[in-house]
Amino acid sequence: KAGVTQTPRYLIKTRGQQVTLSCSPISGHRSVSWYQQTPGQGLQFLFEYFSETQRNKGNFPGRFSGRQFSNSRSEMNVSTLELGDSALYLCASSLDGRAELDTQYFGPGTRLTVL
Amino acid sequence: KNQVEQSPQSLIILEGKNCTLQCNYTVSPFSNLRWYKQDTGRGPVSLTIMTFSENTKSNGRYTATLDADTKQSSLHITASQLSDSASYICVVSGGSARQLTFGSGTQLTVLP
Repeated sequence: KAGVTQTPRYLIKTRGQQVTLSCSPISGHRSVSWYQQTPGQGLQFLFEYFSETQRNKGNFPGRFSGRQFSNSRSEMNVSTLELGDSALYLCASSLDGRAELDTQYFGPGTRLTVL
Repeated sequence: KNQVEQSPQSLIILEGKNCTLQCNYTVSPFSNLRWYKQDTGRGPVSLTIMTFSENTKSNGRYTATLDADTKQSSLHITASQLSDSASYICVVSGGSARQLTFGSGTQLTVLP
């Protein structure tokens, strides 16, 4: 079974631009979560999608948005990029996301650098 | 406020030695606690998941313990190998929306 894939793996943007990141979950997984990882803050939860609906949201500004398609693939968009948005963005998929012992499988991440 | 604190921040040990990493949490209500291993430049990989009723769970040379009364967990690594060098992250699921709260991780370096 193929793992979680994320594209692109690396991205360089300038302040004020916008960016879209893509995540393909493991086949059969319906829950997709997005996380931001920085050296100073560690892993922080952005949002979770299940069956094309945002089910949970972390404490990030409205510049961060996402969506999920009918095939469970998900995209994350960041508008008006700031220097502080430079981070590793991780996507994780799971079967349901709510079951007690549901395991999340992480992708390799997209390394975003904002200049 | 839900928090997960890990100690130590970093640890250096020699190959073949054992080590124990600590995790304290204040997440309430508690649902489950997970330990992840993250190699440099890669996404985290799940090692163990424990619910309230479980005291210990093993995955090969990794053994996690949970004390729900004191809200503490530990991850014990036996007979360390060079490939164990990674960041180990403690994650607690809970709170009103069953969100995940992440610890900042322990960076383990195993030297030959």
